[in-house]
Amino acid sequence: AQTVTQSQPEMSVQEAETVTLSCTYDTSESNYYLFWYKQPPSRQMILVIRQEAYKQQNATENRFSVNFQKAAKSFSLKISDSQLGDTAMYFCASNYGGATNKLIFGTGTLLAVQP
Amino acid sequence: DSGVTQTPKHLITATGQRVTLRCSPRSGDLSVYWYQQSLDQGLQFLIQYYNGEERAKGNILERFSAQQFPDLHSELNLSSLELGDSALYFCASSPRFGRPSSYEQYFGPGTRLTVT
Repeated sequence: AQTVTQSQPEMSVQEAETVTLSCTYDTSESNYYLFWYKQPPSRQMILVIRQEAYKQQNATENRFSVNFQKAAKSFSLKISDSQLGDTAMYFCASNYGGATNKLIFGTGTLLAVQP
Repeated sequence: DSGVTQTPKHLITATGQRVTLRCSPRSGDLSVYWYQQSLDQGLQFLIQYYNGEERAKGNILERFSAQQFPDLHSELNLSSLELGDSALYFCASSPRFGRPSSYEQYFGPGTRLTVT
């Protein structure tokens, strides 16, 4: 079965500091995509960053970057210069390709940014 | 704002009842996905439609059904509701296959269903 695992249920970081959220996945597919979604208290699901598995270069979106280790099946999210608005649940997800594009989600990491 | 709209935002109903959740995808998107977020099951894929046709099914109960209409909006029908169906139901959309970023999904604000 294709799975996504987030082993950190909760994390805390001081404002302006850097934090890394972990994610591992398991698949036998060769073509897939990985995502981080943010869910703030409003419950809206917001796409933060995406990574194509065939690309070796790690994706970056402003203060958000990923460390994609394909051989280790690891996909961590680094948030630099943390802001109070970053407080949210973060979900790692994968689309294992094919015609369906369905997303498989991890259980989430609740990140609290402290002032 | 993702461009995906869902109505209603909140729904409170009794066990045994039937409800319909509605979703309008982003302009130009052909794929619609339904997900359920509950405390015990997390985020789970229910069903996908592409240009009016069912494309994939996930952990969707037989009491649940969905369809996508010619104008591409979609409805998720939940019947014989049970307390355990209380959850946040998300709709997401993505561009037609072959388009750049067709693998990305954009989520609506969700419908919170409470079954009493």
